[in-house]
Amino acid sequence: SQQGEEDPQALSIQEGENATMNCSYKTSINNLQWYRQNSGRGLVHLILIRSNEREKHSGRLRVTLDTSKKSSSLLITASRAADTASYFCATDRRGGATNKLIFGTGTLLAVQP
Amino acid sequence: SQTIHQWPATLVQPVGSPLSLECTVEGTSNPNLYWYRQAAGRGLQLLFYSVGIGQISSEVPQNLSASRPQDRQFILSSKKLLLSDSGFYLCAWSAGLPSTDTQYFGPGTRLTVL
Repeated sequence: SQQGEEDPQALSIQEGENATMNCSYKTSINNLQWYRQNSGRGLVHLILIRSNEREKHSGRLRVTLDTSKKSSSLLITASRAADTASYFCATDRRGGATNKLIFGTGTLLAVQP
Repeated sequence: SQTIHQWPATLVQPVGSPLSLECTVEGTSNPNLYWYRQAAGRGLQLLFYSVGIGQISSEVPQNLSASRPQDRQFILSSKKLLLSDSGFYLCAWSAGLPSTDTQYFGPGTRLTVL
């Protein structure tokens, strides 16, 4: 079964609005990553947050991690039409093989111009 | 800088035919290599990963196999394709150091089995 599950499955917003996506996981982790995938393309790494971190920023991206709730959120501020893509969380399971990631099912974000 | 290549970009194959997808990485040595499959509108399923030449770990039992004949080459194969093998196949690499966990993905191969 998937380690991570994103919520919502799909999100449609207007340009300029903020987009928030959530990810829940089941087992203890070393780190959690967010990736982006444009339609029909490979995944692009966005940000990595380690289990001892609570919040991390990168440009218009803000990621939070709550290990007690086994959840993470990705916030994209001031969204643009070019942010339209699928967003996946991925976890590196603690105690598992190094660099083996488990991906969630993704959130499809549509930003309307 | 590092780059990752996959080919072909698209492939249409009949049921029962063989398959060979290739992935190569440039600009790094001793990478961890991965094959994923993504069904339409779904997440990624890890199929195989490799931490070195000739070392392959299989995640999902199926009619696919993987090989790593060279340090930066990863091949996904099948002797006889099934309809259920259709999907988007992604190759990825990550650095061999445990402190670096980011994976870098290739452009993918769209496989349609008819």
